[in-house]
Amino acid sequence: QVQLKQSGPGLVQPSQSLSITCTVSGFSLTSYGVHWVRQSPGKGLEWLGVIWSGGSTDYNAAFISRLSISKDNSKSQVFFKMNSLQANDTAIYYCARGDSLLDWGQGTTLTVSS
Amino acid sequence: DIVMTQSHKFMSTSVGDRVSITCKASQDVSTAVAWYQQKPGQSPKLLIYSASYRYTGVPDRFTGSGSGTDFTFTISSVQAEDLAVYYCQQHYSTPFTFGSGTKLEIK
Repeated sequence: QVQLKQSGPGLVQPSQSLSITCTVSGFSLTSYGVHWVRQSPGKGLEWLGVIWSGGSTDYNAAFISRLSISKDNSKSQVFFKMNSLQANDTAIYYCARGDSLLDWGQGTTLTVSS
Repeated sequence: DIVMTQSHKFMSTSVGDRVSITCKASQDVSTAVAWYQQKPGQSPKLLIYSASYRYTGVPDRFTGSGSGTDFTFTISSVQAEDLAVYYCQQHYSTPFTFGSGTKLEIK
């Protein structure tokens, strides 16, 4: 069955970066895009960006200067990196399959704190 | 960016009742709207995509309708396990955007 498993740190210091790996199974990254969404108490669900099945990316303009999404189709892995983190980046970060966000990862809870 | 407005933050209902949640887009999104259910401590779960298509395994008491700017999500007979927050989302154009959510409370 379809699964998206996320790995990444839970605590990051201000100004540092966040890296999350989303390892997928049950579908091919050449057939579906993978989107990234975060959820914080203050701002609800917020779409961050997508890597399309063909490998191109789209980013939320609010994050374009500090966000990077890439993938390795052969390893079924998608890589998310956000730089220059601040306290208001504290949130749960999710990867999700397809434009209708058909299936979601379990979430990575990030706290930005010194 | 397209703004998705869910006018009710909370809705209170009883088991067996019919409840509808509305969502309004700030511009025409055709039928590119999805509805998600999120229970406490869980990831959001897709229920409806493309405004009216039920995702695999979703019970038929959940339905969606609408096109253009006005969308409705309906639970025909609420069950106790439907206690959750429900979000609409447009997947018409990036950046994809979400409504602020409607928390369904069971009396």
